[in-house]
Amino acid sequence: QQPVQSPQAVILREGEDAVINCSSSKALYSVHWYRQKHGEAPVFLMILLKGGEQKGHDKISASFNEKKQQSSLYLTASQLSYSGTYFCGTENTNAGKSTFGDGTTLTVKP
Amino acid sequence: NAGVMQNPRHLVRRRGQEARLRCSPMKGHSHVYWYRQLPEEGLKFMVYLQKENIIDESGMPKERFSAEFPKEGPSILRIQQVVRGDSAAYFCASSPSGFQYFGPGTRLTVT
Repeated sequence: QQPVQSPQAVILREGEDAVINCSSSKALYSVHWYRQKHGEAPVFLMILLKGGEQKGHDKISASFNEKKQQSSLYLTASQLSYSGTYFCGTENTNAGKSTFGDGTTLTVKP
Repeated sequence: NAGVMQNPRHLVRRRGQEARLRCSPMKGHSHVYWYRQLPEEGLKFMVYLQKENIIDESGMPKERFSAEFPKEGPSILRIQQVVRGDSAAYFCASSPSGFQYFGPGTRLTVT
């Protein structure tokens, strides 16, 4: 079952914050986040496992709520380099395939 | 440690020809995934393989498409008798488990 991402697109000014959500109709084992710039391959950002942990590096962090079967990606004080399409990938078991959402396009303007 | 390698990066085929896309996973990774991405769209899962085994091919079209990951050598995605609708970027990803590292992709154009 494909996870649902929201919003589909967001436009920000440099320095503004954004939240991207990823929801599943099934119980999740893990959630992982990727960023893809136009014409390039997706780049892994982080993975969150069952346990409700929150992870982050620099000004990008994410949370994972098992009960709600959703994860959120937080981008703080956005930079121009944050522009791209963000995908969440989910796994329902620890041995299954990943299923990706349709992506959220983030545009950061000066 | 080299990343995931894919070749060719760009492939042009005429309708009816065969396309072979290769993917060498990162060293030590035994899981390989193939995805197709149409312009301005998301990643669509095609197939998940481990060495010599197809674990899940639920995203593969029933005809013309096949994939393998032999004991030695790269994983290969093969598309027979290509049609214009096969034009897309094909990404492979390798994984030790869970999260995935993506290759640069092969952009297939069918003329």
